[in-house]
Amino acid sequence: AQSVSQHNHHVILSEAASLELGCNYSYGGTVNLFWYVQYPGQHLQLLLKYFSGDPLVKGIKGFEAEFIKSKFSFNLRKPSVQWSDTAEYFCAVNARAAGNKLTFGGGTRVLVKP
Amino acid sequence: DVKVTQSSRYLVKRTGEKVFLECVQDMDHENMFWYRQDPGLGLRLIYFSYDVKMKEKGDIPEGYSVSREKKERFSLILESASTNQTSMYLCASTSGGPDYEQYFGPGTRLTVT
Repeated sequence: AQSVSQHNHHVILSEAASLELGCNYSYGGTVNLFWYVQYPGQHLQLLLKYFSGDPLVKGIKGFEAEFIKSKFSFNLRKPSVQWSDTAEYFCAVNARAAGNKLTFGGGTRVLVKP
Repeated sequence: DVKVTQSSRYLVKRTGEKVFLECVQDMDHENMFWYRQDPGLGLRLIYFSYDVKMKEKGDIPEGYSVSREKKERFSLILESASTNQTSMYLCASTSGGPDYEQYFGPGTRLTVT
């Protein structure tokens, strides 16, 4: 069974700092990769996804993620965060052989100080 | 705009009670999912359904069952609630294959005392 690891449980940073959240998965076959975000009091929503093509994926609100197949990683980045990026971020992986099932990481809570 | 609604935002039940959590989506999606969300564990899949009356176990189905009698509605049932089922329960739906976005409801925070 696949598993997904997010290395940081909590991240605190100041506005304008750069953000990088790590995500590693443990499945050797073809995968679809996602980052979801949950802002305080809001629904979980899709930030970006990768399923083929350019391994550098751009999402909403200035976020991007890079798929490195050799490292089984899909790290999320943003060059300059804002206070409104305070949220919990979840990496998720779909192993294509598993049909529609998504496996989520444990989440990373990000607090951006104004 | 896709809308996924859940019957309750907060629910308090006693140990041993039968609990029903309802989820409705308004976009004619084939696939629907139930997850539980716990701090540090992320979201874990309980059950999913890819068609009316069809269901498949997820990663943690023990203690739960589901029902999908209509395409838009997917119910999660706790036959006999226990304190370790205290959690946030999220419903999601998607129209297509595994590379499609899942749309989530607001969640039901269930407390079992």
